Amino acid sequence: KNEVEQSPQNLTAQEGEFITINCSYSVGISALHWLQQHPGGGIVSLFMLSSGKKKHGRLIATINIQEKHSSLHITASHPRDSAVYICAGDSNYQLIWGAGTKLIIKP
Amino acid sequence: KAGVTQTPRYLIKTRGQQVTLSCSPISGHRSVSWYQQTPGQGLQFLFEYFSETQRNKGNFPGRFSGRQFSNSRSEMNVSTLELGDSALYLCASSPEPGYGNTIYFGEGSWLTVV
Repeated sequence: KNEVEQSPQNLTAQEGEFITINCSYSVGISALHWLQQHPGGGIVSLFMLSSGKKKHGRLIATINIQEKHSSLHITASHPRDSAVYICAGDSNYQLIWGAGTKLIIKP
Repeated sequence: KAGVTQTPRYLIKTRGQQVTLSCSPISGHRSVSWYQQTPGQGLQFLFEYFSETQRNKGNFPGRFSGRQFSNSRSEMNVSTLELGDSALYLCASSPEPGYGNTIYFGEGSWLTVV
């Protein structure tokens, strides 16, 4: 079992739908990161969470420390949101990566 | 403020050769981490450097090595290249990871071994 598990692995939705991507972890972490990777390969950090909830535009990230679970939500999804979304736990000077969720938003 | 710069962006090497990749972190960042991304294995941690010291190392063979210079720039080297080393190598910088700092990634170096 991976130390950081993401679900779903793939997600296809229609433009405008509310999107939820889940991340569970089994290791001790100081923070949980959500990142976005576009087909070109570059990775952009979206959120860094150690507790509670953060919002940036149409993106919302939450974390429940007791349950070791985090979610990334996208409201009013748009085709430009199509990317791979990755969660990663910050632990002992390294990131422990989830496998990523490939999101496709159809117009 | 310049972002994380990785060079070269693309390169093709032959089996048995060695390769050196470079990463210049964001100014003021002292931590540099390296990751390998392959379609089959996803993102795998290689190593992390802080103030010229390797603090953590992933589960990779000794052919993979790295170093960090006093200006925080980092290099990673892969010797005796194998076909399976073909991957995207990503570098990330932060003031200091492990304490919940935002991390910044370079665009990566695409290595193809033939």
